[in-house]
Amino acid sequence: AQSVTQLDSHVSVSEGTPVLLRCNYSSSYSPSLFWYVQHPNKGLQLLLKYTSAATLVKGINGFEAEFKKSETSFHLTKPSAHMSDAAEYFCVVSEVTSGTYKYIFGTGTRLKVLA
Amino acid sequence: EAGVTQSPTHLIKTRGQQATLRCSPISGHTSVYWYQQALGLGLQFLLWYDEGEERNRGNFPPRFSGRQFPNYSSELNVNALELEDSALYLCASSLLPYEQYFGPGTRLTVT
Repeated sequence: AQSVTQLDSHVSVSEGTPVLLRCNYSSSYSPSLFWYVQHPNKGLQLLLKYTSAATLVKGINGFEAEFKKSETSFHLTKPSAHMSDAAEYFCVVSEVTSGTYKYIFGTGTRLKVLA
Repeated sequence: EAGVTQSPTHLIKTRGQQATLRCSPISGHTSVYWYQQALGLGLQFLLWYDEGEERNRGNFPPRFSGRQFPNYSSELNVNALELEDSALYLCASSLLPYEQYFGPGTRLTVT
């Protein structure tokens, strides 16, 4: 069965230091994987997506993620955190199998950026 | 290109009333999804419509219902409102089987 686990519910980093938000997935087939960001009381914005092309995916605002099939991971990173990165981040796994379409959200990681 | 739009932005209702939320997808997208995001409960899948048909439904009571119109816009109806229905309701659209794009949400407050 499909599932996605975000390993940390809260992450705190200092401004200018690297960001690592961890995501592990379980999928029977070749999944597509996504990261979204949600600022308070706003909708979700797509940061980046993996759809079986390059395993290192670059997204908006300097974020990137690496698909590692052997580790079933899709961790989100950014070299240097900015105050505006403080938000909630969601990892998503998607599958299309036997005519069904599933889009499974992780429980989210709240990123706090300290001045 | 216009993104997903939702109306109203805020909605205040009293317990027992009905609420109607509206969503317009990105042009060309045929699928619309509804999610509930209540405080402390994360993102919960409500409904999925595609080509005018309900394709899937989350674990919500029947008083949550909706429809999709021929122009692919959608509305979500919540009957007999309860206090715990207070939440941010998010609509997303996609062209199957690709990624979903989200609207800004409707904040429903039930008093």
